[in-house]
Amino acid sequence: GAGVSQSPRYKVAKRGQDVALRCDPISGHVSLFWYQQALGQGPEFLTYFQNEAQLDKSGLPSDRFFAERPEGSVSTLKIQRTQQEDSAVYLCASSLVPWGGQETQYFGPGTRLLVL
Amino acid sequence: AQKITQTQPGMFVQEKEAVTLDCTYDTSDPSYGLFWYKQPSSGEMIFLIYQGSYDQQNATEGRYSLNFQKARKSANLVISASQLGDSAMYFCAMREGRNTGRRALTFGSGTRLQVQP
Repeated sequence: GAGVSQSPRYKVAKRGQDVALRCDPISGHVSLFWYQQALGQGPEFLTYFQNEAQLDKSGLPSDRFFAERPEGSVSTLKIQRTQQEDSAVYLCASSLVPWGGQETQYFGPGTRLLVL
Repeated sequence: AQKITQTQPGMFVQEKEAVTLDCTYDTSDPSYGLFWYKQPSSGEMIFLIYQGSYDQQNATEGRYSLNFQKARKSANLVISASQLGDSAMYFCAMREGRNTGRRALTFGSGTRLQVQP
């Protein structure tokens, strides 16, 4: 079946612009995660949804970052007034169940954001 | 303190040989899961193998096996019979248990593996 998809794959923004990154999780997956991966580093957690509820947003770096998943499927990560330090790959992951056993997270290809 | 430590920034291995990628972790939660992911240059994180803290046996998935030493808090990935397509970044990650209430994975800094012909 189809995996996690993300769009756009690449985004160039001028400093101060707003951007919106989209994630389509695997169909039926309850949990959805956003991670930020800086160049040469491992991904870092941003936020987590269980269905439409945002249960953990402790990783969002500032109030310029906002995420939503209004119908419990597609999610959008929005960054307002982008700054150069926001340049990174933004990864989306989904998992089938909220909790239980392995709960493997399956990742999308990421959106590479470059802020000039 | 680092929760996941990968001490090898880069590794080289000859094709068809085995290689071990190191991972140590730190948690006080008795229930946790350990994951290994592969990230090729295309950027996608590909799930390889999982080990639960209560699993009695070391996990295996094809050419991948996990050398889980709970007392030492290590979860090393062993790739047997390396192939050129194994060249990629490899990340160790941990999800802590119900006590923390967190669902997110914590990743290490990764090891870049290069397989040489």
